[in-house]
Amino acid sequence: EDQVTQSPEALRLQEGESSSLNCSYTVSGLRGLFWYRQDPGKGPEFLFTLYSAGEEKEKERLKATLTKKESFLHITAPKPEDSATYLCAVQGTGRRALTFGSGTRLQVQP
Amino acid sequence: NAGVTQTPKFQVLKTGQSMTLQCAQDMNHEYMSWYRQDPGMGLRLIHYSVGAGITDQGEVPNGYNVSRSTTEDFPLRLLSAAPSQTSVYFCASSYSRDQETQYFGPGTRLLVL
Repeated sequence: EDQVTQSPEALRLQEGESSSLNCSYTVSGLRGLFWYRQDPGKGPEFLFTLYSAGEEKEKERLKATLTKKESFLHITAPKPEDSATYLCAVQGTGRRALTFGSGTRLQVQP
Repeated sequence: NAGVTQTPKFQVLKTGQSMTLQCAQDMNHEYMSWYRQDPGMGLRLIHYSVGAGITDQGEVPNGYNVSRSTTEDFPLRLLSAAPSQTSVYFCASSYSRDQETQYFGPGTRLLVL
C-alpha cells in the first residue's frame, strides 16, 4: 500500500526566512510525485511533478527535489502570499490513483 | 477556459436524503475523478473515469455512484446521505489516462445532519 507522510504539519516563518517541507513516501515503483498548493476554501493547484531520484524543479521561490524515499519543497525568502497548505502525492506504477499526504500548513508572517 | 467547475459550493442535507454533486470541465480531458478531503486525512479517491462510459471505484466508493455520459461531465451521486459523508468534495481532471497534472475544481462543502 502506498503511503505519504508530510512534515511538519504546520510551519510558521518570518518573511524572508527560508525553510523546507518534507514528503516521505513508500510506493511499489514510483510513477510520479506531485506537489500541490491549496489556499483556504479552494481546490489544490498543481505545482510540480517529479519522476526520478535526483530530479529538481523550480518555480519562483519554490524548488522541489526528489530522492528514492522523500521529496523536499524548499522555499527561499518566502513572502506572505506563499502562505497556504502544501500537499504531496505519489502515483505508483500500474496504479491510476494518487495517494495524498495530509499536507503542511505554511504561514509566512510579514 | 473555465477549467473545472463544481456546483453547488455548499449544501446541507438531512440523513437519508439524496443529491448529485455536479462537475464539468471544458479542457477535453479524458480522465476525471472525485476526491473527498477530511481534516488530517488528506485527499481520498472516491471514483474515477478514464473516458465517457467508463468508470471505476477508488479508495472510498461506498455510498457514492458515478456515471460519465459525456467527456465534459462527471456527476457524483449520494443515494442516501449519512453524517459520515460530511466532507469537502473535489472533482479533478487530467488530459491523459496517465493522470499527470490533475486540475482541481473549487470544491463542494457538504454537511449532513
